[in-house]
Amino acid sequence: RKEVEQDPGPFNVPEGATVAFNCTYSNSASQSFFWYRQDCRKEPKLLMSVYSSGNEDGRFTAQLNRASQYISLLIRDSKLSDSATYLCVVTSNQAGTALIFGKGTTLSVSS
Amino acid sequence: GAVVSQHPSWVICKSGTSVKIECRSLDFQATTMFWYRQFPKQSLMLMATSNEGSKATYEQGVEKDKFLINHASLTLSTLTVTSAHPEDSSFYICSAYGDFQFFGPGTRLTVL
Repeated sequence: RKEVEQDPGPFNVPEGATVAFNCTYSNSASQSFFWYRQDCRKEPKLLMSVYSSGNEDGRFTAQLNRASQYISLLIRDSKLSDSATYLCVVTSNQAGTALIFGKGTTLSVSS
Repeated sequence: GAVVSQHPSWVICKSGTSVKIECRSLDFQATTMFWYRQFPKQSLMLMATSNEGSKATYEQGVEKDKFLINHASLTLSTLTVTSAHPEDSSFYICSAYGDFQFFGPGTRLTVL
């Protein structure tokens, strides 16, 4: 089983749609959880951290379920600029510094 | 925000040559930097953890004699791909740990 698994995608949605990405992780000792965004041929950029209490940043909502080892990202009112690959990331070491990346889910938003 | 730079941004070299990639944290000191590699349509894979003033820690399956890492100062880590071969062609990304991990823009290596 891979350490971090994500929906394979791609997700093709119209502008204004709501889209949800799921992610599961295998290491129950994982400390920290993130969603990163990666544009084509660019480095990943932190989108948001994920907390058990759930957190929201504008149109983006992230949820963590430690018991199920499951992470989600919800994007509301999709914009063309949201088109990218979304990476689910967990930390693998006690210090919480070594990141394990999922393969990513590609989102394409069209007008 | 914290900025991490990488140089060069892309390089094309002949098989058998060595290539050095630099990673710099520009506005903060990073005792720990990380090197990742990403093949097309694949996830970023951690290659090694670079610790200032000590030897790097390599992930399983990564040859330490082939991928030489030097972290000589708190703002600079270098990755040298020795005797590069076409299968080493990839996108190499470094990151430096501040409050979060900040990624460099990546170096695209093509070995002919």
